[in-house]
Amino acid sequence: QQPVQSPQAVILREGEDAVINCSSSKALYSVHWYRQKHGEAPVFLMILLKGGEQKGHDKISASFNEKKQQSSLYLTASQLSYSGTYFCGTEASGTYKYIFGTGTRLKVLA
Amino acid sequence: KAGVTQTPRYLIKTRGQQVTLSCSPISGHRSVSWYQQTPGQGLQFLFEYFSETQRNKGNFPGRFSGRQFSNSRSEMNVSTLELGDSALYLCASSFGAVTAINTEAFFGQGTRLTVV
Repeated sequence: QQPVQSPQAVILREGEDAVINCSSSKALYSVHWYRQKHGEAPVFLMILLKGGEQKGHDKISASFNEKKQQSSLYLTASQLSYSGTYFCGTEASGTYKYIFGTGTRLKVLA
Repeated sequence: KAGVTQTPRYLIKTRGQQVTLSCSPISGHRSVSWYQQTPGQGLQFLFEYFSETQRNKGNFPGRFSGRQFSNSRSEMNVSTLELGDSALYLCASSFGAVTAINTEAFFGQGTRLTVV
């Protein structure tokens, strides 16, 4: 039931855009996105709510696909500080248990 | 305001021992959730405490337990440690339940547990 993220890893140059996907076997009703830098705690980036409303970062956005079984995180004009591992997080349907996606390692080069 | 504080930051224990980890949430937050992070399994949910009650529990053996005090501070205990319990243990603090829509969770720096 763990959401699968793709790609597993990506390398970008500063200023380039990236898309990270979070795919679930069941419909997603809200998705949290986090970034974790090496040796640090995950940091909340944003919430994507079922109606498509977003709360969080101003240079990062997210969306659902039509069936709401996939969420995509869009990183625009990436900066060196965007490097890290990105996780999506959501409730395992109806269980009150929180689950994280498999993670995407992103590295931004100068 | 002060962030989430986890103590200790590092621990080395021997197989068979038990360990207690502590998490002090952000003032006013009622939920503390715990996670295990390993290179092989990624981030996995252990359990969540909300207003001193365990709200839910992940797929971990009964050796993993926890509690929450009236001041919202939480402790996690692992008994009869195994080598496979070596991991980074993270706690997160939130005002509402961690699975609630619109909740923002704040993570502590984690406790790195090594079992030898």
